[in-house]
Amino acid sequence: QVQLVQSGAEVKTTGSSVKVSCKASGDTLNSYDISWVRQAPGQGLEWMGGIIPIFGRPYYSQKFQGRMTITADKFANTAYMELNSLTSEDTAVYFCARDLGTMRPAYWGQGTLVTVSS
Amino acid sequence: SSELTQDPAVSVALGQTVKITCQGDSLRDFYASWHQQKPGQAPVLVIYGENTRPSGIPDRFSGSRSGKIASLTITGAQAEDEADYYCNSRDGSGDRRVFGPGTKVTVL
Repeated sequence: QVQLVQSGAEVKTTGSSVKVSCKASGDTLNSYDISWVRQAPGQGLEWMGGIIPIFGRPYYSQKFQGRMTITADKFANTAYMELNSLTSEDTAVYFCARDLGTMRPAYWGQGTLVTVSS
Repeated sequence: SSELTQDPAVSVALGQTVKITCQGDSLRDFYASWHQQKPGQAPVLVIYGENTRPSGIPDRFSGSRSGKIASLTITGAQAEDEADYYCNSRDGSGDRRVFGPGTKVTVL
């Protein structure tokens, strides 16, 4: 059974950075497409970017290009999302998901709440 | 265009059928997947590909596509189906993913 386990909640100050991890168990991440998705309070799902760890090259939504870095550690079976220059508008639950937009079944992490305050 | 549109909300009587739609140009080339989200929980995939249900998803959930419109149908809606439903697909370039704004389904 595939499980994606994310790191715990974070509280950050305006202008700082946050790094969230997503570790796979039950299967390898490496040859799958890993997306990062966020959901602000009371809002819908917003796709941010993704990576296929075996290829290593991330791809981003234009909205987050330049402010977001997605990486993957093939040996640790873990993907990471780092978001810089945080503002209060980045307060959201951040999800990782496997195989969004593919012909394979998608799996979701449990979500990580990131709270940004001044 | 990379946008997907959905109706904000629909309601259905218990045991009746409801159809949720998702519209976007990219759906002519790429299938939509459908994700159910209940308050305070992570989304759960209910339909992907042409019309495939993951293990554990009841067969009252089905999907279809016609042109640039993808649909999710719940046949015989149950109280536990009350949730937000998001469609997801690729954008027009195929490189990126996009979500619809979500449809809130209320079971009366």
